Formats: sequence, C-alpha cells, structure tokens
Amino acid sequence: DSGVTQTPKHLITATGQRVTLRCSPRSGDLSVYWYQQSLDQGLQFLIQYYNGEERAKGNILERFSAQQFPDLHSELNLSSLELGDSALYFCASSVSGRAGGRDEQFFGPGTRLTVL
Amino acid sequence: KNEVEQSPQNLTAQEGEFITINCSYSVGISALHWLQQHPGGGIVSLFMLSSGKKKHGRLIATINIQEKHSSLHITASHPRDSAVYICAVQAYNTDKLIFGTGTRLQVFP
Repeated sequence: DSGVTQTPKHLITATGQRVTLRCSPRSGDLSVYWYQQSLDQGLQFLIQYYNGEERAKGNILERFSAQQFPDLHSELNLSSLELGDSALYFCASSVSGRAGGRDEQFFGPGTRLTVL
Repeated sequence: KNEVEQSPQNLTAQEGEFITINCSYSVGISALHWLQQHPGGGIVSLFMLSSGKKKHGRLIATINIQEKHSSLHITASHPRDSAVYICAVQAYNTDKLIFGTGTRLQVFP
C-alpha cells in the first residue's frame, strides 16, 4: 500500500459525459501528479500540482482539467468524453515539487475509466 | 524516436534465471525510475537512481549517465516477479516522468 488513494476504482460512462476522479496523496506529500495509461499511448504525464498550484503540464487535453485543494487532495475532471479517453488514470504523490528534485513518486491504485 | 527506449519488449524465463532489462534515454535527466506494474494494474516504484547502483533484495539497478543507459537485473527470478517493468526518466529541471513502453516479464516454474 503506497498510501495514495484514488476513487473510484472503476467508472463506466457514456460518450459526451463528464466525470471526476479523486486522489488523496500520502500524508505529508505536497505534490500530486496525474498520469494516463492507454493501450495505444502507454503511460503519459498529464499534469502536476504542488501545494495547490499548477507546477507542470504535459499532454493534457483542453477537455480535461485538474485542481488541488487546500487539504492537498486533487481532482481530475474529464468532460465531453470520447471513446479514446478510456484508460487507466493514475495519480502519484511526492514529498516536494522542487523542479528537478529527486523525489520518489508513490502511485495510487488507479481509476479504470471505460467510455461506451 | 521515443525519448525512452526499453528492451526487450517481452521476456520469458525459467524460475531461477538471471534477468536483465535495459533502458536507454535521449534527454538530460535528474533521475531515472524503475517501476513494476502487476496484472491488476497497480504501479510500484522499485528504484530511483541518479548515479551508480542500487540493490534491494534480488533486484539490482544500475545507471550510466554518460552513456544514458540503465539496467534492471533480477537474480534468481521467481514466478511472482512476473509483471511489466517500466523505465521512466525525470527530465532535467522538471518533475514530470517520461515513460518507456515497458518490458513484459513472465517467469515460469
């Protein structure tokens, strides 16, 4: 158990819908990262938050957005869902968000999103 | 060309064999991570390296910064080692990870 929790574990929804994925980092970790793992693209970095502020952005679609709340949990919002958004979504946390810092990232169990 | 390349893509071994998985990268990095993903999907961090060598039980990870290459070795492999092993690099001066495509390892009794 990494100490990172994600809810829900599974989510099945229809095209065009909007969903929210939730992540609680390990106690004491200030950074949260979101990753997408799809069959054709592998694992890809989406976005990072550090202590409530966006720190880095990757291949995140405009239909997707995220935020980190004062209690440090984070939510990833996916809207106007398409079939191709079906994937495993992982969040990870680390102690700091110091750019270039060598912090281990601890991964949550993931949320499996299926868009029908 | 991917920024992180892993080889082999698939690996089959008999229990007890010595396993090596290779990772090459083309960007400047702060650190390199080796991750393990079991069939259930969960990802576990095995190592984070910025130089030299690290050992944890039967697992050994090495990195050569000059050659931009890392290896993950498993000694005395066991069926429970069956998983996908993923190399990821932390690009210099960022925290984001760039992932390799993974190596699927199956160890048979």
